[in-house]
Formats: sequence, structure tokens, C-alpha cells
Amino acid sequence: AQSVTQPDIHITVSEGASLELRCNYSYGATPYLFWYVQSPGQGLQLLLKYFSGDTLVQGIKGFEAEFKRSQSSFNLRKPSVHWSDAAEYFCAVGSYNQGGKLIFGQGTELSVKP
Amino acid sequence: DGGITQSPKYLFRKEGQNVTLSCEQNLNHDAMYWYRQDPGQGLRLIYYSQIVNDFQKGDIAEGYSVSREKKESFPLTVTSAQKNPTAFYLCASSYREGYTFGSGTRLTVV
Repeated sequence: AQSVTQPDIHITVSEGASLELRCNYSYGATPYLFWYVQSPGQGLQLLLKYFSGDTLVQGIKGFEAEFKRSQSSFNLRKPSVHWSDAAEYFCAVGSYNQGGKLIFGQGTELSVKP
Repeated sequence: DGGITQSPKYLFRKEGQNVTLSCEQNLNHDAMYWYRQDPGQGLRLIYYSQIVNDFQKGDIAEGYSVSREKKESFPLTVTSAQKNPTAFYLCASSYREGYTFGSGTRLTVV
């Protein structure tokens, strides 16, 4: 079955500390992989995406993610977290050949301590 | 600017009533999607449409209906058959690998 797992429901980090949000997927075809961020009551903003090529992907706001096929993972990282990064983060997987549908993880809520 | 407009932002419905959520895009995208978001459950696909006058059920289509009469519009009707409609609803569109999301409609049953 196709699925996305974000093992951490809630993470708290101190401002200036590094961050890693985990994402594991199960998908039959070669997937497209995405990370989105959502502020309360808002839509989703794309942070970065991976389709092919270099497995280390750079995104907006200083985020990056690394695709590891052998581990079926696409973890999101940021070297130094800012208070404005507090939000909910979603990992998603999809394929244009699957009707373009995205399958989302349950989300990880990030809190930032001053 | 191109984008997706969802309206209204907040919607209240009495039990037993149908209600329609609007989603309009001016991105000229072929595909459109409706997702439902509940706390701790991520986003779940309700319906999607890859072309005008055609749409498919997603994972949780029961109690919902859609239409796609125009490329720009993909309204979602939440019917009285939907037992737990209180949720945040997100519309999205895509062309190939690019997805755009609306800002959502929060539906509350009162």
C-alpha cells in the first residue's frame, strides 16, 4: 500500500539549533517527493521537491532535504531554526502517472523555544 | 497574480443541510483536487479531476460530490450523508509536477 509516515507528531527545538524532520514512504512507482509547511488556518506552502537527479535538494527558507532510496526516506533539515519556522510540516509523495494524487504524512508540528 | 481562490474562508452548516465549497483557479491547470484535513490525520483525498467533465473518487469520497464543468472551477458539495463534516478543506491544482494549494475553507456543523 502507498503511504507516508512522519514518525514525530511534535518536535520542540531551541532557536538557533539544527532541525531534522523525518519522512519515510512506501510507494510502488518512482515517486515525486515534497515537503510543505502550513501555518495555522492557512493553506500549504511548498518548501522543496524532488523528482530526479541530485538527491540533496535545496528549498526556500534555508531548508534542504535528502532523498535516500535505500531507506525510502526524505528527511527535511535546517541548520539553524528561527522562531518563525514554528508551524506544521507535511511530507508528501506522488506520481504524475498516478493521476497526480499526493499522499500526505500525518504532519509534524514544530515548536521553537526562545 | 495566478492562484487558487477558495470561498468562503469560514462556513457554518446545520445538521442535515448540504453545503457547497467553491474552488476557482486561474493557473490554467488541468488537474484539480479536494483534500480534507483533520488534526493528527494529515490531508486525505476526497475527489480529483484530471480533465473537464471527468472526476474520480479519492480515499474518503462518501458523503461528498463534485462537478467539473469548467476548467477553472471544481466545487465540492458536502451532503447530509457526510456524518462528520467538520474539518478544514483544501483545494489544489496541478500541471505535471507543480501543485498549488488554496488557503482553505473551515467548515463547522452547528
